[in-house]
Amino acid sequence: EVRLVESGGGLVQPGGSLRLSCAASGFTFTKFWMDWVRQAPGKGLEWVANINIDGSEQNYVDSAKGRFTISRDNAKNSLYLQMNNLRAEDAAVYYCVSENWYFDIWGRGTLVTVSS
Amino acid sequence: DIVMTQSPDSLAVSLGERATINCKSSQSVLNSSNNKNYLAWYQQKPGHPPKVLIYWASARESGVPDRFSGSGSGTDFTLTISSLQAEDVAVYYCQQYYTSKTFGQGTKVEIK
Repeated sequence: EVRLVESGGGLVQPGGSLRLSCAASGFTFTKFWMDWVRQAPGKGLEWVANINIDGSEQNYVDSAKGRFTISRDNAKNSLYLQMNNLRAEDAAVYYCVSENWYFDIWGRGTLVTVSS
Repeated sequence: DIVMTQSPDSLAVSLGERATINCKSSQSVLNSSNNKNYLAWYQQKPGHPPKVLIYWASARESGVPDRFSGSGSGTDFTLTISSLQAEDVAVYYCQQYYTSKTFGQGTKVEIK
């Protein structure tokens, strides 16, 4: 079974940090670019970042540049998102997604809450 | 950035009737070198992650019922549900992957 399972979400104060993880199984992780997509409560979808197959190229939405870092460990079939200097507007469900140009496999998401 | 605008924001359709959702991009998402439109449609039901329905503007994902179809080219696209079923109640998003990735704001489909 193809699966993406996110973890690491939780409550963090403004200015704080969190590291999200995503464990992939059931497909050849090393063949796909991987992405993070987020969805604020009751809102639409926003692409956050992606990373290429070997981890040598990363791209970010403007609001994440300089604060978020996407990485992957192909030996562990895992994707990560290090989020620093979190703001209230970063509060969302964060989805781990595999990319085949379009987004074809989605995890169930992990909730990040930013509040004092 | 390419801005994606969907219309309407919501619509209510009777069971068995046709539902049509439009999506307009602020610039063309057609790659003239391969004649492909870099446009996908997703369905999201409450409490669930999105699920891809259509990619390359008109290619149906495996397992998606054939009542779902996508059409259009360049900057104007349409998702059609030919005969609405109760299980189709959801929010639908278009997304371009031509330059970076951006989504439309979503269209909520309900039963009339």
